[in-house]
Amino acid sequence: LAKTTQPISMDSYEGQEVNITCSHNNIATNDYITWYQQFPSQGPRFIIQGYKTKVTNEVASLFIPADRKSSTLSLPRVSLSDTAVYYCLVGRLTGGGNKLTFGTGTQLKVEL
Amino acid sequence: DAMVIQNPRYQVTQFGKPVTLSCSQTLNHNVMYWYQQKSSQAPKLLFHYYDKDFNNEADTPDNFQSRRPNTSFCFLDIRSPGLGDAAMYLCATSSRDRDDEQYFGPGTRLTVT
Repeated sequence: LAKTTQPISMDSYEGQEVNITCSHNNIATNDYITWYQQFPSQGPRFIIQGYKTKVTNEVASLFIPADRKSSTLSLPRVSLSDTAVYYCLVGRLTGGGNKLTFGTGTQLKVEL
Repeated sequence: DAMVIQNPRYQVTQFGKPVTLSCSQTLNHNVMYWYQQKSSQAPKLLFHYYDKDFNNEADTPDNFQSRRPNTSFCFLDIRSPGLGDAAMYLCATSSRDRDDEQYFGPGTRLTVT
């Protein structure tokens, strides 16, 4: 079972860049790193996934150092609507490696 | 748009009275999941189906059962709901080879009185 550690909460202001770091010291060779976003009273939403180095999409960037024991989700120029819980997960549900499990997540609060 | 639909969005049941939650998907995904999420906690996987193959998590109580009559539909049955089963129940789907990229429905919030 992959254990991920994230800050419980973060505060930011509109227009700032937010970086949420997750540590996953026991990541396995075959594991990918996946981030989900969850708004209140909604299901989680897949944001981004990576294996190593940097991945960028229209929503976020994901930075993964060479040892892969941590990862950083970067949200550029956040707005109030980015207030949500962000979950870092490693692994897959099956197929070896760590088992995909939701950790405690990071509550991001964006203010004016 | 392809999506995951859960009905109802809110369900109230009495202590001990069986209840069924439903989920349907238009994504044609092989895998369907049921999660339980209690207030301020992370989603917890109850079980999942790879096609018709049922996979129960070791710590899922026997009180929770599931059915998947076809690719599109999946049901969660709670045989005798207790007060501790009040939670948001989330259905999700994925393709077989990308079970780390799951598509979630909006959830059904279950209240037990």
